[in-house]
Amino acid sequence: EVHLLESGGGLVQPGGSLRLSCAASGFNFSNYAMHWVRQAPGKGLEWVSGISNSGGSTYFADSVKGRFTISRDNSKNTMYVQMNSLRAEDTAVYYCAKRGAYPVYGMDVWGQGTTVTVSS
Amino acid sequence: EIVLTQSPGTLSLSPGERATLSCRASQSLSSIYLAWYQQKPGQAPRLLISGASNRATGIPDRFSGSGSGTDFTLTISRLEPEDFAVYYCQQYAGSPLYSFGQGTKLEIK
Repeated sequence: EVHLLESGGGLVQPGGSLRLSCAASGFNFSNYAMHWVRQAPGKGLEWVSGISNSGGSTYFADSVKGRFTISRDNSKNTMYVQMNSLRAEDTAVYYCAKRGAYPVYGMDVWGQGTTVTVSS
Repeated sequence: EIVLTQSPGTLSLSPGERATLSCRASQSLSSIYLAWYQQKPGQAPRLLISGASNRATGIPDRFSGSGSGTDFTLTISRLEPEDFAVYYCQQYAGSPLYSFGQGTKLEIK
C-alpha cells in the first residue's frame, strides 16, 4: 500500500527552527517528485515547496523562500523540509504529497499531516 | 503569477442534485496542468481529477471535469451524502510552481 507519514511537527517560538520529515513506502520513491503543502487553521491549501525525483531541482513559494530548504534521501525513502526563522503565519498543518506519474501533474498520494505551531 | 478563483464560495444543495463548481485562472493554462481535490474535515486532500478531465484511480464516475484555457468546471452529477466537502482546484507550472484556488464549500441544504 502506498503511504506517506509526516513527523517532526510541534510548538516552536517565533524565530525558531523545525525540521519535518516525510517517510514514504509502497512505491519507488526515487521515481517521483515530492511536495509540501500546508493549511493554516480554517484556511485553504498553500503549496510550500517541491523537489524533483533526484533532488537536483527544488522549488519554493515566495512566502518561504530563503527561510525553508527542502531535501530528500532516496536511500531512506524520506523527504525533509528545514524551516528556519519561523513566523506566526507559518502555523499550519503540513502535508507531504507525491506527484503523480507523467502525465499526471496532480498530487495523488498525501500524508495525514503534521501540525506546526509558531507561538511564544 | 497565476491566480485561481473558485466560485461560488459556498454551494448549498441536496443529495441527488447536480453540483457545478467553477475555477477561473488569471491567465490561460494547459488543461494537462489543472487538477481538482476534495477535502473533508480533519482529512488530507484527495485527488479527484487531473489533466482537467481525467478521474484519478478509484474516483466514482459521478465526478467529471471539463474546461480549457482559463475556465474549468468540476461537476458532480448526483450528489451522495459523502460528497459534501470542500473542493479545490490547482494549477501546475505557473509561478509559483503550484497554486490552489481558495476552495468551494459544498454543504447540505
